[in-house]
Amino acid sequence: DIQMTQSPSSLSASVGDRVTITCRASQSISSFLNWYQQKPGKAPKFLIYAAISVQFGVPPRFSGSGSGTDFTLTISNLQPEDFATYYCQQSNSFPRTFGQGTKVEFK
Amino acid sequence: QVQLVQSGPEVKKPGASVKVSCRASGYTFTNYGISWVRQAPGQGLEWMGWIRIDNANTDYAQKLQGRVTMTTDTSTSTAYMELRSLRSDDTAVYYCARLGYSHGDAFDHWGQGTQVTVSS
Repeated sequence: DIQMTQSPSSLSASVGDRVTITCRASQSISSFLNWYQQKPGKAPKFLIYAAISVQFGVPPRFSGSGSGTDFTLTISNLQPEDFATYYCQQSNSFPRTFGQGTKVEFK
Repeated sequence: QVQLVQSGPEVKKPGASVKVSCRASGYTFTNYGISWVRQAPGQGLEWMGWIRIDNANTDYAQKLQGRVTMTTDTSTSTAYMELRSLRSDDTAVYYCARLGYSHGDAFDHWGQGTQVTVSS
């Protein structure tokens, strides 16, 4: 199975900050990397697919980069509604696997 | 618009079975797959498996093999996930999610979640 490791596990930030979350795969997954946002008590929301493609309707302050084993989710100009937990997930092979999550908290 | 609507919360005793439904609307059901993902209290997301709707092929997580079955009813655009021999560590919110073939196989739409509680 491909292991997905996110860092950090949590971070504190303020409105307007630029936030970067890293996701590392235990082996190459090409660009088959997706990102989701989850708020407490809610289902995950799909943000980014194929490492860099932002889903329609997702604000442009969200961006993704990377390929192979190392990937990044960047939120520029953090907004109050962005405080949530973010998960990466690989769709290169089965079983599909998620990172453990990164909680973005208010500083 | 695409919607996945799941069945209501369940409380089960250890050893029992649970069957969760996921009714799809707003797209051609047979053109996509459905995955099931669960989340234990305070934990991350765990992929359980998926079913390809057009041919009913399935692939399950190794740890759930033998206890989980995923099926569909194409006449009602509904997917089902049955989990048997329930244990306390199966207590979780269970989500269905559409497999977005045009989105790198990401889970592009999610159900609202079904709370399953296993308790004696």
